[in-house]
Amino acid sequence: DGGITQSPKYLFRKEGQNVTLSCEQNLNHDAMYWYRQDPGQGLRLIYYSQIVNDFQKGDIAEGYSVSREKKESFPLTVTSAQKNPTAFYLCASSSGIVYGYTFGSGTRLTVV
Amino acid sequence: QKEVEQDPGPLSVPEGAIVSLNCTYSNSAFQYFMWYRQYSRKGPELLMYTYSSGNKEDGRFTAQVDKSSKYISLFIRDSQPSDSATYLCAMSGNSGNTPLVFGKGTRLSVIA
Repeated sequence: DGGITQSPKYLFRKEGQNVTLSCEQNLNHDAMYWYRQDPGQGLRLIYYSQIVNDFQKGDIAEGYSVSREKKESFPLTVTSAQKNPTAFYLCASSSGIVYGYTFGSGTRLTVV
Repeated sequence: QKEVEQDPGPLSVPEGAIVSLNCTYSNSAFQYFMWYRQYSRKGPELLMYTYSSGNKEDGRFTAQVDKSSKYISLFIRDSQPSDSATYLCAMSGNSGNTPLVFGKGTRLSVIA
């Protein structure tokens, strides 16, 4: 079955640590996106990539980093510079706006 | 003014009611409009897609776009408890892979 997989489902981070969230798709989609969802805030764009080895900052990129070395993979690193990382993180992929996004099931990150 | 405004609710209706969900937007370049449904702790799923102005119907769901008023709506007829979810509007002005802009989402509860 084609789809988009995020792992882990739950992640706990200590203060000062970097953590990496995984996002893998087997839909052959060119574009991939990372969003952060907080209660009452909706979806806010962190980074996106329209092609391998290229990515752009979204609205809230500070404290995050990404890579796109393979078409299938778009990992997100939450660095220690992100002061309020506790949130629900969603990865999505798309083959064009007219087809919409396919979302993963999300990773809930909690700072402990 | 935010690009996309959506009343977060919560909205509570009895089973069988007609539900109306709405978004307003400020960017006149938007021409691709979508509605996503998100169940608790899950990723959003594409529900309806409309290009430019007009109506689109799919079963119990109808999406309407009024570009002159910069206003989009989603109607749910004969609402069911399984429709209880958060509904997010999303839009874009570009047919490529330019990121969608999302509303904050409206939380809907359908009471049996």
